[in-house]
Amino acid sequence: SQKIEQNSEALNIQEGKTATLTCNYTNYSPAYLQWYRQDPGRGPVFLLLIRENEKEKRKERLKVTFDTTLKQSLFHITASQPADSATYLCALYSSYKLIFGSGTRLLVRP
Amino acid sequence: DVKVTQSSRYLVKRTGEKVFLECVQDMDHENMFWYRQDPGLGLRLIYFSYDVKMKEKGDIPEGYSVSREKKERFSLILESASTNQTSMYLCASSSSRERYNEQFFGPGTRLTVL
Repeated sequence: SQKIEQNSEALNIQEGKTATLTCNYTNYSPAYLQWYRQDPGRGPVFLLLIRENEKEKRKERLKVTFDTTLKQSLFHITASQPADSATYLCALYSSYKLIFGSGTRLLVRP
Repeated sequence: DVKVTQSSRYLVKRTGEKVFLECVQDMDHENMFWYRQDPGLGLRLIYFSYDVKMKEKGDIPEGYSVSREKKERFSLILESASTNQTSMYLCASSSSRERYNEQFFGPGTRLTVL
């Protein structure tokens, strides 16, 4: 069956450290993958997109990697700040629609 | 900035009631989507539309219908609300002009069915 999985346990890190979130998928061959941020009680907000032929994408303190062999994307936030605390969702494009993971909650301690 | 608005932030309805959730976007996007979000299950696609008067079933359409009479407006209808439809409902829109099109989400409607 097709699955997209993110770690359901919250990631708790100290301010200034790098946060790394994982997105794994099975039985999909997505042309691209997106990452979104969602704050409590709000809709998701788009952060980054990475295409299947790209290994890595950066935007300010954010970095995304995409390994189509491992069927995995990693999302990194460097020099993390308490304001980065949120739930992060990955989404892959398949059959003309986005399929979302259930998200990983990140908590950055001051 | 793209703006997607939803008619209510919070809604409480009784079992069996007909419920209308409205979504409006102001960026002339062709594509509009309705999701529901439940803890541990992520966002699940209910219905989507690529054009006016056009609709496609998503992954969980049972118990729902939609209407898109105008490009900017996409309505989700619960014909007879049930308690298992208590959830957060999110509307989104995207442009067909961009190949790798990001979705813009509204703030969500938290629906409680008693």
